[in-house]
Amino acid sequence: EDKVVQSPLSLVVHEGDTVTLNCSYEVTNFRSLLWYKQEKKAPTFLFMLTSSGIEKKSGRLSSILDKKELSSILNITATQTGDSAIYLCAVDLGNTDKLIFGTGTRLQVFP
Amino acid sequence: DAGVTQSPTHLIKTRGQQVTLRCSPKSGHDTVSWYQQALGQGPQFIFQYYEEEERQRGNFPDRFSGHQFPNYSSELNVNALLLGDSALYLCASNRDPGETQYFGPGTRLLVL
Repeated sequence: EDKVVQSPLSLVVHEGDTVTLNCSYEVTNFRSLLWYKQEKKAPTFLFMLTSSGIEKKSGRLSSILDKKELSSILNITATQTGDSAIYLCAVDLGNTDKLIFGTGTRLQVFP
Repeated sequence: DAGVTQSPTHLIKTRGQQVTLRCSPKSGHDTVSWYQQALGQGPQFIFQYYEEEERQRGNFPDRFSGHQFPNYSSELNVNALLLGDSALYLCASNRDPGETQYFGPGTRLLVL
């Protein structure tokens, strides 16, 4: 059975801290791994990773994929209260073109 | 450039009733996928529509059905509602297989 596991489930930090969110996967067919941020309702797209070892960056956020370890990390540096959200990791199963999501990591950033 | 839109935003129904949720994809997108997100869980894939046909389906009963119109908009229908159908229903669209799926704001359904 295809599955995506995220850790930790929950994280509480202070503004300015750096956090690392983890995502591991076991799937029958892999096309890409995606990270989304969900604040209230709509998950908003952060990154799509297809190649191992190539870091993607957007401001204070960065992510990298390790296909050998079947995992990915999402780093957020100098966290701000606006980073408080649920971060979802999903794997695109390629031939079926459907996304399998993890349960998410809830990040709370306090001033 | 309008993103993915969904209606209604909230809905309250009672057990046994039927519901229809609507989705308009992002401009230029022709593929629509539906997901169910229960409280505290990640979204679960229901099905995907492309060229007005259901292309893929997740592990959901036949009570869940859908439709895609020639303008690429889509509907999700759920019959014989159960309490367990209470969830956030998300619609996502993309242009081609393998391209990033963009999500709408969702419809929160409460079944009493």
